[in-house]
Amino acid sequence: GENVEQHPSTLSVQEGDSAVIKCTYSDSASNYFPWYKQELGKGPQLIIDIRSNVGEKKDQRIAVTLNKTAKHFSLHITETQPEDSAVYFCAAIPAGEDSSYKLIFGSGTRLLVRP
Amino acid sequence: DAGVIQSPRHEVTEMGQEVTLRCKPISGHNSLFWYRQTMMRGLELLIYFNNNVPIDDSGMPEDRFSAKMPNASFSTLKIQPSEPRDSAVYFCASSYPARAEAFFGQGTRLTVV
Repeated sequence: GENVEQHPSTLSVQEGDSAVIKCTYSDSASNYFPWYKQELGKGPQLIIDIRSNVGEKKDQRIAVTLNKTAKHFSLHITETQPEDSAVYFCAAIPAGEDSSYKLIFGSGTRLLVRP
Repeated sequence: DAGVIQSPRHEVTEMGQEVTLRCKPISGHNSLFWYRQTMMRGLELLIYFNNNVPIDDSGMPEDRFSAKMPNASFSTLKIQPSEPRDSAVYFCASSYPARAEAFFGQGTRLTVV
């Protein structure tokens, strides 16, 4: 089945700097890759996603890139702010699960933005 | 819409007791997922439903866990008997028909002592 690996497990950056989180997946047929942000005491919240027919997607300060050949995708946060501090999860949907959208999550990255 | 609603937010119970977690998905969503989150194992999918029917329960740890979805607006996850290793945060999520975006509830923090 699908396996998603995420790095780094923790990331500390200075406010205003950029942060990059990387994920790799095993199932070459996977075609949907969301990113979730989880704040303390809350459930994960979808912040951006990308489908296999595009290589990059941007929404204000966040962007996601996808390399299907290498089977990896990355989250980029520019001009980081203290409120970006949270745990970020990448995910993928295994092939053949289009009717159910079962998400397989990475292990998470704890991002700390230092003021 | 109020989003996915889970209850209770916190549950502390003694080993051996039955625990029932509840979830109300977003109206109009036809897929419902139960996840468990622990430090050691991260976010694990336990079971998911499509149109109230359980599709895949391969993530359910053992027979002590069971889940039901009697109608489109309600689901339960039951643990009987509970054990200390069941302590975790349990999330319910739902999604629209033919849409991949899943919306999560606030979670239930379960502590079994």
